[in-house]
Amino acid sequence: DADVTQTPRNRITKTGKRIMLECSQTKGHDRMYWYRQDPGLGLRLIYYSFDVKDINKGEISDGYSVSRQAQAKFSLSLESAIPNQTALYFCATSYGGAENEQFFGPGTRLTVL
Amino acid sequence: AQSVSQHNHHVILSEAASLELGCNYSYGGTVNLFWYVQYPGQHLQLLLKYFSGDPLVKGIKGFEAEFIKSKFSFNLRKPSVQWSDTAEYFCAPPRRGYSTLTFGKGTMLLVSP
Repeated sequence: DADVTQTPRNRITKTGKRIMLECSQTKGHDRMYWYRQDPGLGLRLIYYSFDVKDINKGEISDGYSVSRQAQAKFSLSLESAIPNQTALYFCATSYGGAENEQFFGPGTRLTVL
Repeated sequence: AQSVSQHNHHVILSEAASLELGCNYSYGGTVNLFWYVQYPGQHLQLLLKYFSGDPLVKGIKGFEAEFIKSKFSFNLRKPSVQWSDTAEYFCAPPRRGYSTLTFGKGTMLLVSP
């Protein structure tokens, strides 16, 4: 969905490096999310934000941090990447309550060597 | 703790076969239930959702799901699958105490022509 974009789409990095993944949306949604997907584990929520001044930890936030620079932008940082953070990362957005659909970006495939 | 169980991790069917994918969740409160689909190489997209009302909900591409409150289940069905239904399917009930979702581990469906 072009309304939710992620950069970069692929990244290979080394252990200990700082990495930032960026997400932008043009849908005008207030809520944004970061998930990671691992084979056989489904999607797990890392962080989420219900508006610019609201940041919340998800199920697996250790080793990650986020920044909501604007309503349309939500960045995920790995301060010191480690190999078990190798995964597919998705950003998602939604409007209003939990009953509303989440719209996903195309994903960022991150490999930590 | 909130949990969601998808009973089958891999399902292989021939075209025209009927499909039922199981999903059970543990949260007994107000539920907003979703099924998302991820086609090969693509991001997740909404298949269908239940918020309230008729427990039998219809989604895109001929899929439907039935919410059975007494069984904490939200099984996905399709009477006759097509090769193009090959994808991974995720059940997503609400995460207890949060306005977010918990995704199941996914069921990979392979439909042979």
